Amino acid sequence: QKEVEQDPGPLSVPEGAIVSLNCTYSNSAFQYFMWYRQYSRKGPELLMYTYSSGNKEDGRFTAQVDKSSKYISLFIRDSQPSDSATYLCAMSRTDKLIFGTGTRLQVFP
Amino acid sequence: DAGVIQSPRHEVTEMGQEVTLRCKPISGHDYLFWYRQTMMRGLELLIYFNNNVPIDDSGMPEDRFSAKMPNASFSTLKIQPSEPRDSAVYFCASSFADHTSTDTQYFGPGTRLTVL
Repeated sequence: QKEVEQDPGPLSVPEGAIVSLNCTYSNSAFQYFMWYRQYSRKGPELLMYTYSSGNKEDGRFTAQVDKSSKYISLFIRDSQPSDSATYLCAMSRTDKLIFGTGTRLQVFP
Repeated sequence: DAGVIQSPRHEVTEMGQEVTLRCKPISGHDYLFWYRQTMMRGLELLIYFNNNVPIDDSGMPEDRFSAKMPNASFSTLKIQPSEPRDSAVYFCASSFADHTSTDTQYFGPGTRLTVL
């Protein structure tokens, strides 16, 4: 079993929709939880990070962590075609940073 | 700053050939990371350097892979001999802190390697 599981998608939604992206993990030692966005043929870029259970907002993006369920989510409100990308969750503990395999998102006009 | 620079952007080679990937990190960053990305395994850390010194190479898949950082502005990842299963996108990233912190890692555009 992988330490971090992420549905690869693809997820296709209309412009303006609320998008929910999720990851589950198995190791309770993870301390920091991150979301990266990766456009086609580009490197990943950090969107948000959090280290505690609860929600963190940044504009149209909300990161949510539920440590009791070992589940993290990224919500995108009012999705735009420019949000079309692959979204990678990532989790770190003292010795390792592990990425999910990514969920491909397509927002159509 | 131009960001992390990688070359070549694409490399197609035949099995058994030596492949060298190059990276120029962002000036002032103390940490440099090499990653490999595949559909099946996602993004995996191969090795990272702190102040030009290799710190953790436990992600390097086998002895065919080697990495060097002769100075603060240049690093190479070499595969010799290359095999078809090495086909992947290889990313270089740099940062002010190590990969387990929340300091942002800045990724280069990647090198897409195809081994025939």
